Amino acid sequence: AQSVTQLGSHVSVSEGALVLLRCNYSSSVPPYLFWYVQYPNQGLQLLLKYTTGATLVKGINGFEAEFKKSETSFHLTKPSAHMSDAAEYFCAVSVYGGSQGNLIFGKGTKLSVKP
Amino acid sequence: EAGVAQSPRYKIIEKRQSVAFWCNPISGHATLYWYQQILGQGPKLLIQFQNNGVVDDSQLPKDRFSAERLKGVDSTLKIQPAKLEDSAVYLCASSLDRGLSPLHFGNGTRLTVT
Repeated sequence: AQSVTQLGSHVSVSEGALVLLRCNYSSSVPPYLFWYVQYPNQGLQLLLKYTTGATLVKGINGFEAEFKKSETSFHLTKPSAHMSDAAEYFCAVSVYGGSQGNLIFGKGTKLSVKP
Repeated sequence: EAGVAQSPRYKIIEKRQSVAFWCNPISGHATLYWYQQILGQGPKLLIQFQNNGVVDDSQLPKDRFSAERLKGVDSTLKIQPAKLEDSAVYLCASSLDRGLSPLHFGNGTRLTVT
């Protein structure tokens, strides 16, 4: 069965500092992996996804993530945090191979950015 | 392109009452999903429609929850009767086809059961 573990429910960084949000997954099929961002009182917005091919994927707003099969990880990074990055971030894995719809989400990591 | 529309944005009801949520997906999106997001947790899939047919409702508490998408466009999710543990944000999402394209989420309906 598929599952996702996000390490750290709350991460705080200073503006301009590196952002690192951790995600480990378990999947019985070749995984499709996703990072979504949720701003207060809004729905989820896709940041980036890994399906097949290049293991380093780039997303919107300067975020990127690397799929590491040996470590079963898909950590999200951004070199320099901006105040507008403050939000909750969710890692997700597809339930069925080849699908982007039926997803298992992690519990989320709330990112705070200090001026 | 208009996004996924959901209404109402907020709803407060007492336990044992009934409530319904409405979702209008992006035009042309064949697949529609209802997710439940309890405070402090990630979204959990309740039901997936492909056009007007149910693809997956394995996690829908069918004794109290029901959903329909009669004409393959908009959808309603109903809870009857509501319990305290149903307090959550109910998110609707849609995609072009059966999971081959990413999800687009609405802003959700926040339900409080007192």
